[in-house]
Amino acid sequence: DTAVSQTPKYLVTQMGNDKSIKCEQNLGHDTMYWYKQDSKKFLKIMFSYNNKELIINETVPNRFSPKSPDKAHLNLHINSLELGDSAVYFCASSQLDRPSGEQYFGPGTRLTVT
Amino acid sequence: EDKVVQSPLSLVVHEGDTVTLNCSYEVTNFRSLLWYKQEKKAPTFLFMLTSSGIEKKSGRLSSILDKKELSSILNITATQTGDSAIYLCAVEGGTASKLTFGTGTRLQVTL
Repeated sequence: DTAVSQTPKYLVTQMGNDKSIKCEQNLGHDTMYWYKQDSKKFLKIMFSYNNKELIINETVPNRFSPKSPDKAHLNLHINSLELGDSAVYFCASSQLDRPSGEQYFGPGTRLTVT
Repeated sequence: EDKVVQSPLSLVVHEGDTVTLNCSYEVTNFRSLLWYKQEKKAPTFLFMLTSSGIEKKSGRLSSILDKKELSSILNITATQTGDSAIYLCAVEGGTASKLTFGTGTRLQVTL
């Protein structure tokens, strides 16, 4: 069984379009995250939700809007896509009150904006 | 701003060599330091370190944290081609389990 899944795996779209990426975890975790990994492989946190509440919101353009319908799902909607949005987007989950900070990552969504 | 720096940025070794990867950090309210291995897809968890001076070991991989020096090393002995990957160091700090990642060390193990 897949622990953290994302759809789609690949997304190619044109500048100006709006797109969504979905994430689901079946680990029973209470916290989910979105990370962006650029072409140099630098992984940077964007958002985190704990029990559907936003708890981390890094400096991200407001074209990016996360939505958590329940604690097993965290979706990412991106408006007016730009070339610089091309990257791999990783979803992750963890249990916040556990001593371990271990986060489980999804397989990633490679977004290419042309 | 929290910062994690890894060195070297990349490394090419021969199978059987031993390598040491470095990670140093500046982070508020340090909670833990984690090592991940990233091959083609998602990062996979290797170790979590919270206490200084205690070595974590898993097979040929081991890691140790030095809280005084704000650093950690990841050792891989008798490297194999399957060890080729990007090794990411991340530090958990601040509130809400925020992980700050380093830029990674790209390790290539050749025959």
